[in-house]
Amino acid sequence: AQSVTQPDIHITVSEGASLELRCNYSYGATPYLFWYVQSPGQGLQLLLKYFSGDTLVQGIKGFEAEFKRSQSSFNLRKPSVHWSDAAEYFCAVEYGNKLVFGAGTILRVKS
Amino acid sequence: DGGITQSPKYLFRKEGQNVTLSCEQNLNHDAMYWYRQDPGQGLRLIYYSQIVNDFQKGDIAEGYSVSREKKESFPLTVTSAQKNPTAFYLCASSSGLGQSNEKLFFGSGTQLSVL
Repeated sequence: AQSVTQPDIHITVSEGASLELRCNYSYGATPYLFWYVQSPGQGLQLLLKYFSGDTLVQGIKGFEAEFKRSQSSFNLRKPSVHWSDAAEYFCAVEYGNKLVFGAGTILRVKS
Repeated sequence: DGGITQSPKYLFRKEGQNVTLSCEQNLNHDAMYWYRQDPGQGLRLIYYSQIVNDFQKGDIAEGYSVSREKKESFPLTVTSAQKNPTAFYLCASSSGLGQSNEKLFFGSGTQLSVL
C-alpha cells in the first residue's frame, strides 16, 4: 500500500540555521509529491509540489524540496529558518484521486 | 474572496448524538474531501466527492456519513457509531487531482470533542 514516512516527529533549530525535513514514500509509479504547512488550529497551506521535470522544486516562503527517485525521498529544505516558520509540516503523495499524508513533523525555532 | 468555510470552529458531542460539520466552498471546485487529524497521525481521508450526488469512502469512513447535493457544500455527519470522534476535522477542495497544476485548498478546520 502507498505510504508516506516522516521519520522526525519533532525538530528544533535555531533561528537563522538551515533546515531539512525528511520524507520518504512508497509508491510504484512516478509520484506527485507535496509539502504542506499547518499553523496550530488552522488548515494546511501548500508550500510546494513536484509533478515532473526538474527534481529541485522551489516553493513559497523560501522553501525548496528535492525529489530523489533512487532514495524514494522528497526532503524539504530552507537555508535560513525564521521564527515564523515554527509550525507542523506534512509531506503527501498523490495516488489515484487521493492524497496520502505523512504523520507530520513539528518544527520548533529557538532564538 | 474565494475559499473554503468550515463551521463551527468548535463542536461538542454528547454520547449517542449525531453531529454535522459544515463545509462550503465558493471556488467552483468539483472535488471535495474530508480528513480527520489526530496528533501524531497526520491526516486520514474519511470521504471524498468528485462530483455532485456522488461520493466515495476513504480510509476511515466507518461511523461517518456525507452528502453532496450541491457543488458548493459537502457536510459531514459524525454518527453515534463513531466511538472515538474527538479529533480535528479538515475539509478540502480541488478542481480535480491528477492535473499538473492542481492543489488542495483547505478550510480552517473544526475541533470536535466529546462531552
